[in-house]
Amino acid sequence: AQSVTQPDIHITVSEGASLELRCNYSYGATPYLFWYVQSPGQGLQLLLKYFSGDTLVQGIKGFEAEFKRSQSSFNLRKPSVHWSDAAEYFCAVGFSGNTPLVFGKGTRLSVIA
Amino acid sequence: DAGITQSPRHKVTETGTPVTLRCHQTENHRYMYWYRQDPGHGLRLIHYSYGVKDTDKGEVSDGYSVSRSKTEDFLLTLESATSSQTSVYFCAISRPDRAYEQYFGPGTRLTVT
Repeated sequence: AQSVTQPDIHITVSEGASLELRCNYSYGATPYLFWYVQSPGQGLQLLLKYFSGDTLVQGIKGFEAEFKRSQSSFNLRKPSVHWSDAAEYFCAVGFSGNTPLVFGKGTRLSVIA
Repeated sequence: DAGITQSPRHKVTETGTPVTLRCHQTENHRYMYWYRQDPGHGLRLIHYSYGVKDTDKGEVSDGYSVSRSKTEDFLLTLESATSSQTSVYFCAISRPDRAYEQYFGPGTRLTVT
């Protein structure tokens, strides 16, 4: 069965430091890949997506992600974290067209001064 | 903003009572989804719809039913609420014109006592 793994439940970084959140998926073909962010008490906001083409994709709020087919990964990065980035981040995978997304369990990001 | 609203936003109900949650969209999207979010589980699909009167089950559909009699409304019913259905429920739509990005409503927090 298709699955998405976010290995890190909770990450703490210092403000201004770089960030990488990991995401691995299990699927035979290239899926549609998404990263969402959820601030406390809020809904989910789409950060970025990949479905074909350039494997390095840029998103909102200064985030980027790189699709690596050989590693079945789609890691999210940001060069300099701001306190407002503290939130929960979800990686999600769609396997064709309008099929429902499969979500990872999320990574909670804390930012310290 | 994909014009998605959910009602109610908060609800407390007693075990054994039926509950209906409503998702309303204003942009005439064909595909709609219901997910639940629980700590440590991410988002899990309950049911989805690919058109009026066309629905299908998701990963955690037991105890839930859905109906879609109009394109704009997708209803989720807990037939007899249980404490295990205490959760945050999110509705989403899919946009084929944007590489099947899914956009989420603000969520409904349901507590079953």
